[in-house]
Amino acid sequence: KAGVTQTPRYLIKTRGQQVTLSCSPISGHRSVSWYQQTPGQGLQFLFEYFSETQRNKGNFPGRFSGRQFSNSRSEMNVSTLELGDSALYLCASSLSGTGNTIYFGEGSWLTVV
Amino acid sequence: GENVEQHPSTLSVQEGDSAVIKCTYSDSASNYFPWYKQELGKRPQLIIDIRSNVGEKKDQRIAVTLNKTAKHFSLHITETQPEDSAVYFCAAYNDYKLSFGAGTTVTVRA
Repeated sequence: KAGVTQTPRYLIKTRGQQVTLSCSPISGHRSVSWYQQTPGQGLQFLFEYFSETQRNKGNFPGRFSGRQFSNSRSEMNVSTLELGDSALYLCASSLSGTGNTIYFGEGSWLTVV
Repeated sequence: GENVEQHPSTLSVQEGDSAVIKCTYSDSASNYFPWYKQELGKRPQLIIDIRSNVGEKKDQRIAVTLNKTAKHFSLHITETQPEDSAVYFCAAYNDYKLSFGAGTTVTVRA
């Protein structure tokens, strides 16, 4: 069974640009969540989706957005990139997100220059 | 919102000794408590988890205990090996999200 797949794995963007990250959950998993990991702030929750509906959103500016498609695949977008957005963005999936086991993807390493 | 505190931030143990990491959480509604191990440059990997209706769970050299009344849970690693060296994160799940502790860097000395 394939794990959580994230693309791209590594990317470099310039300040002011936007970026879209993609996540394919484990087959059968319908809950997808996103986390940002930085050395200074640790692991922080961005948002969670289930059946194309956002059920919770973390404390991030509106430049961070996401969506989920009918096949449970998810994307997150960051617009008007800032240097501080440089981070590892992790996608996680679970069956339904109600206390089910949560598995992380390999992450997308974003560097903003 | 949920606040998870994790101690210690660094832990150095001799190979073969035990390692204990402790976490506290603030929201009594949290009902699922996973532990993740993260090696440098890699994703967090689930090593063990416990749900709020269970007090203790063991998987080979790893065990987790949960005290709901005191709102704390702990990770115990016995007979540590060099490959146990990594950063360990505790987390509490509530309202469709994981709230993470700040992490513990474990170094196992050969």
